[in-house]
Amino acid sequence: DQQVKQNSPSLSVQEGRISILNCDYTNSMFDYFLWYKKYPAEGPTFLISISSIKDKNEDGRFTVFLNKSAKHLSLHIVPSQPGDSAVYFCAASANNQGGKLIFGQGTELSVKP
Amino acid sequence: NAGVMQNPRHLVRRRGQEARLRCSPMKGHSHVYWYRQLPEEGLKFMVYLQKENIIDESGMPKERFSAEFPKEGPSILRIQQVVRGDSAAYFCASSMTRQGGRSTEAFFGQGTRLTVV
Repeated sequence: DQQVKQNSPSLSVQEGRISILNCDYTNSMFDYFLWYKKYPAEGPTFLISISSIKDKNEDGRFTVFLNKSAKHLSLHIVPSQPGDSAVYFCAASANNQGGKLIFGQGTELSVKP
Repeated sequence: NAGVMQNPRHLVRRRGQEARLRCSPMKGHSHVYWYRQLPEEGLKFMVYLQKENIIDESGMPKERFSAEFPKEGPSILRIQQVVRGDSAAYFCASSMTRQGGRSTEAFFGQGTRLTVV
């Protein structure tokens, strides 16, 4: 039962352009969403989060959009840089489950110079 | 990732041996989570602990796996009688409680890569 889905296993983008990573979820109890970035042989690093009371959160080059009616969120990176190349995981949590995170399968982003 | 310490980074065990993975959370963090990443897959939740208590172990295999977070010392994930299918990266994360009870973002350690031969 995959409650959080990232349907694109990989994405390739030119340096300077926008990267858009997508995530869908099925559990309507999820009310907090996070994006993590992961390099090989390292642990995930927190990037940005959004609460279900908002539809947008921005931090520098990173913006997360939430569409609750569609149960969809996306991460926009603009402008994309080669150092952004990594695997990006979407995660979700529900207030009644503490900080337990349910992760998507990840999308591998490659930013080409 | 600074602050959440996992050891060892790499662990090799023969089938049937025991594996012990350690996690020291960030200072001030009282919530610890263990996740497993199998090759070519995402991170799967295993167990959520607070000091001396297991809060949610819905992701733990029913047999051979156990976890603890004692009052003093690191959290331990223990795998008894390991099999080749246990080979994976095991990540620990920690968080703290905000006002209002919701935990903060979880910060991850570097992981322990277990190889069963």
